[in-house]
Amino acid sequence: GAVVSQHPSRVICKSGTSVKIECRSLDFQATTMFWYRQFPKQSLMLMATSNEGSKATYEQGVEKDKFLINHASLTLSTLTVTSAHPEDSSFYICSARTLTGAGLRYGYTFGSGTRLTVV
Amino acid sequence: EDQVTQSPEALRLQEGESSSLNCSYTVSGLRGLFWYRQDPGKGPEFLFTLYSAGEEKEKERLKATLTKKESFLHITAPKPEDSATYLCAVQITSGGSYIPTFGRGTSLIVHP
Repeated sequence: GAVVSQHPSRVICKSGTSVKIECRSLDFQATTMFWYRQFPKQSLMLMATSNEGSKATYEQGVEKDKFLINHASLTLSTLTVTSAHPEDSSFYICSARTLTGAGLRYGYTFGSGTRLTVV
Repeated sequence: EDQVTQSPEALRLQEGESSSLNCSYTVSGLRGLFWYRQDPGKGPEFLFTLYSAGEEKEKERLKATLTKKESFLHITAPKPEDSATYLCAVQITSGGSYIPTFGRGTSLIVHP
């Protein structure tokens, strides 16, 4: 089945620095990827939708200049948290939209997540 | 307004004690309802997709059903390894695109 590889799994950075998170689709081409943020014991909060070769669409309240999303190829999407602060500490997860079955219905495959801690 | 509501928020079961998790939705024109399992510190793992009322799918001890207003995830004779958070998502259309919208999840703990 479809596999999405997300790296790093954990990262600790100093306040004010930037951190890049990568998501790669290993055995398929991901035209559309989603980026989520998850707080402890909370559900997935959609941050943005990225389509290969075009600008990401950000959800209301998400700062696009702080959370830079690049989807330059069909197998790689990146999320860069710029000038990170402790309140950006969270669990970030990517998801790729896939086509499944003979009916070409959509499915969603998730990466393993990245635990970001800003100190 | 929440479009996807999961209940209960948390559920504790004894091993072998069957139960059901609920996911109710208020979207119109459902384009698919998904169930995922999420272990702590991991990304969600796909379980089922349901598209039409009356549809059912099974996998080991899990069975998912769908009506026009809700979906149930039935867990038969659960084992401790079934402990996880179970997430429900509905696929909606937004700006001409399909977007998955998640509920808050049900945290399941199965005691041996």
